[in-house]
Amino acid sequence: GPKVLQIPSHQIIDMGQMVTLNCDPVSNHLYFYWYKQILGQQMEFLVNFYNGKVMEKSKLFKDQFSVERPDGSYFTLKIQPTALEDSAVYFCASSLEGTSQNTLYFGAGTRLSVL
Amino acid sequence: AQSVTQPDARVTVSEGASLQLRCKYSYSGTPYLFWYVQYPRQGLQLLLKYYSGDPVVQGVNGFEAEFIKSNSSFHLRKASVHWSDSAVYFCAVSGSNYQLIWGSGTKLIIKP
Repeated sequence: GPKVLQIPSHQIIDMGQMVTLNCDPVSNHLYFYWYKQILGQQMEFLVNFYNGKVMEKSKLFKDQFSVERPDGSYFTLKIQPTALEDSAVYFCASSLEGTSQNTLYFGAGTRLSVL
Repeated sequence: AQSVTQPDARVTVSEGASLQLRCKYSYSGTPYLFWYVQYPRQGLQLLLKYYSGDPVVQGVNGFEAEFIKSNSSFHLRKASVHWSDSAVYFCAVSGSNYQLIWGSGTKLIIKP
């Protein structure tokens, strides 16, 4: 079936550094999402993105976070600067449509470790 | 508050036995309900979803789930599990916005 690729699978950085998480969504999809899962906790919605703009974001999407998809390439999540509490697995997803019952396709996640 | 509860963090079942993974939700409006599965080192994949009609929905690989509104439940079932069903299963709910609210997941272990 359709695949969402996330690169890298694990990233380790020092607190205060910048990090960019990359997501290669399904090729004809138009809606893009980031979810965050802290170890042992539920996955939580961060943000969704359509037509070059953030549609919705949660309170977890701090000012240090930004998303973009320049020139239809990777959909990225940038954190600058990083904090210890940003350590988590970040899941990217995409969907063809943005309705609530639409199927999301997920990547395998990027584990971010902030030291 | 809107939430999804999967009370069992881990379920162990013998191969060939039947399975039920529990999911209860709290949602004020009309919920859309989903079950996703995550196999090792892969992304989450949709098993099935419900938003109207027959409360028993069929999914892939012989899975089904039943929406019971009076109980706010959406339990996942399978008549006979296979070793390849070993994975983590997530229940989720969404409403009129784009956000999915997730349960904490249930790890399914299949004994030979």
